[in-house]
Formats: sequence, structure tokens, C-alpha cells
Amino acid sequence: GAVVSQHPSWVICKSGTSVKIECRSLDFQATTMFWYRQFPKQSLMLMATSNEGSKATYEQGVEKDKFLINHASLTLSTLTVTSAHPEDSSFYICSARGTDTQYFGPGTRLTVL
Amino acid sequence: AQSVTQPDIHITVSEGASLELRCNYSYGATPYLFWYVQSPGQGLQLLLKYFSGDTLVQGIKGFEAEFKRSQSSFNLRKPSVHWSDAAEYFCAVGRGSGNTGKLIFGQGTTLQVKP
Repeated sequence: GAVVSQHPSWVICKSGTSVKIECRSLDFQATTMFWYRQFPKQSLMLMATSNEGSKATYEQGVEKDKFLINHASLTLSTLTVTSAHPEDSSFYICSARGTDTQYFGPGTRLTVL
Repeated sequence: AQSVTQPDIHITVSEGASLELRCNYSYGATPYLFWYVQSPGQGLQLLLKYFSGDTLVQGIKGFEAEFKRSQSSFNLRKPSVHWSDAAEYFCAVGRGSGNTGKLIFGQGTTLQVKP
């Protein structure tokens, strides 16, 4: 099956700093990728849709200036959490859209101190 | 608005026993329905999906699900559970009309398997 990777798998940063998370589709091209956020013992919440070569579309309530998304190529999308605060600590998951389904990355655990 | 409900937060079954995980959705038209499994350190893996056609869908790892429009349900079943099936299971519905790729997930059900 298709493989999606995320890097890093976990990151700890200080409050006020920015963190970049990469999402790569390893064996297929993805014009569309999605970013989700998952709190402990809770469901995945869609944050934004990343389209190659165009601006991301954000879900209601998601701060686009805080969560910067760049989809520079057909195999890479990045999520940058700017000026991170402890409440941004979460599990961030990306997915890449295939022909009729999505392939999910393993997730990135972000802890903001 | 579309929504997905998984009534059971946590389920424990004995190895070899049968399993049914419940999923109810709210959507006016014919939904695109999915079941995913999430294991620690691994990405969500698609178990099966329903778009149209036969309402009984076969998936990987011996799982199946049945779409019941009258009950707005898409329950996941397995006749005999293995210890390796212990994981978090998510039901999801495609958001919007057609297969947009956007998904709405249920709250998840944690499956524990007793030896």
C-alpha cells in the first residue's frame, strides 16, 4: 500500500518558538494532503486541506496565521506551528489523498513547554 | 450537519471471541463510510470502505462491515478476534457530497483483547 511519512515523529520545544512538521508521500504523488489534530483519547479533527501549488484551506476555528501550511511539491506538505504555546501540544497527523482513499502518516507528537 | 458516533469508548473481548464495533452516522445522502485502525507508532490504516453497491463490505485482517441505511449504521465485525487486533478503531464519514477526501471521524473505540 501507499506510504506516508512524517518527520519528526516527536518534538519538544519552548513556548514562543516555531516548529515545522513534514509530511511526505513516499511512493505516489498527492495533489491533496490533509492535516489533522488529535488530542489524547479523542478523535481526529481536520485542521486544513493542503493543495499542491495553491493556498491551503482551513477549517473553521483554525488560525491560519498560527498553523502555516505549504504544499510545495506533489510529495511534500509542511505544517509550521508558529509561536507555539503549551495549548498547541497535541498529536498532528497528515494524510495524502490517493485515488479513492487517504493514506495516513504515523503522526507527530508536539510538546510545548 | 454530518456527524459520526461511536457509542462504545472502550470494549474488551476475549481472544477468539466475536467482535462488533458500532458506528452511527448522520448524513442526508448516501455516505462514503470508512473504518480505520490506529496502532501506537503507526498511521491510521484503512480496514474497509463503503461507497455504494453491496452493503456487506469485506476488509483486511478478516474484518467486515455492514451498511444499514434504515439504521444509519455501519458496524464493524470480526468473527474471531486475535490479540494483535487490540488497537483504536475509528469510523469515519466522507464530508460533503461525493468523495471529497475530507473525513469526519467518530470518537474512536479502544479494543482490548484478553488472553
